Amino acid sequence: LAKTTQPISMDSYEGQEVNITCSHNNIATNDYITWYQQFPSQGPRFIIQGYKTKVTNEVASLFIPADRKSSTLSLPRVSLSDTAVYYCLVGGFINAGNNRKLIWGLGTSLGVNP
Amino acid sequence: EAEVAQSPRYKITEKSQAVAFWCDPISGHATLYWYRQILGQGPELLVQFQDESVVDDSQLPKDRFSAERLKGVDSTLKIQPAELGDSAMYLCASSPTNTEAFFGQGTRLTVV
Repeated sequence: LAKTTQPISMDSYEGQEVNITCSHNNIATNDYITWYQQFPSQGPRFIIQGYKTKVTNEVASLFIPADRKSSTLSLPRVSLSDTAVYYCLVGGFINAGNNRKLIWGLGTSLGVNP
Repeated sequence: EAEVAQSPRYKITEKSQAVAFWCDPISGHATLYWYRQILGQGPELLVQFQDESVVDDSQLPKDRFSAERLKGVDSTLKIQPAELGDSAMYLCASSPTNTEAFFGQGTRLTVV
């Protein structure tokens, strides 16, 4: 099972860049790294997914070093509405010949202050 | 934007009663997941379907929980009998081949 470790909580201020690092030392060759965001009483929402180097979309960037044993989710210029729990997951997809289950940890509770 | 539909949104049931949750995945998504999330914890996979077949139900308490996905489209998760410890958010998610899962709003179950 692909276990991940991330900080339990973080605090930031509006307008700042937030970086949340996740370690996944036992990542397998064909595992992807996926980040989700979850607001209270809602289902998780996909943020970004990557395999190596850097991935950027309209809401975040994901940095993955060459050894892939960690990854960093970067949220540029956070706002109050970014207050949520952020989950880092490592695993694969059965259809890709990888049935390593995605294990959800406790996530990182991000608090954004005015 | 297509969404995963779940109902009911909230459910209160008495201990030992039966309860069922329904999920309608995004059209065309072959993979469907049921998760349980206890307050303050991450989601825990209960069962995963690929079309109508179960591919992983290793964490499903089969003495009281059952799940089906007839015709490989919508799905039902049932608990009988419900116990106090089953109080949690039950999340359904679906995904197309080789991409991320999309979650529904969940069903908040309270067992009294």
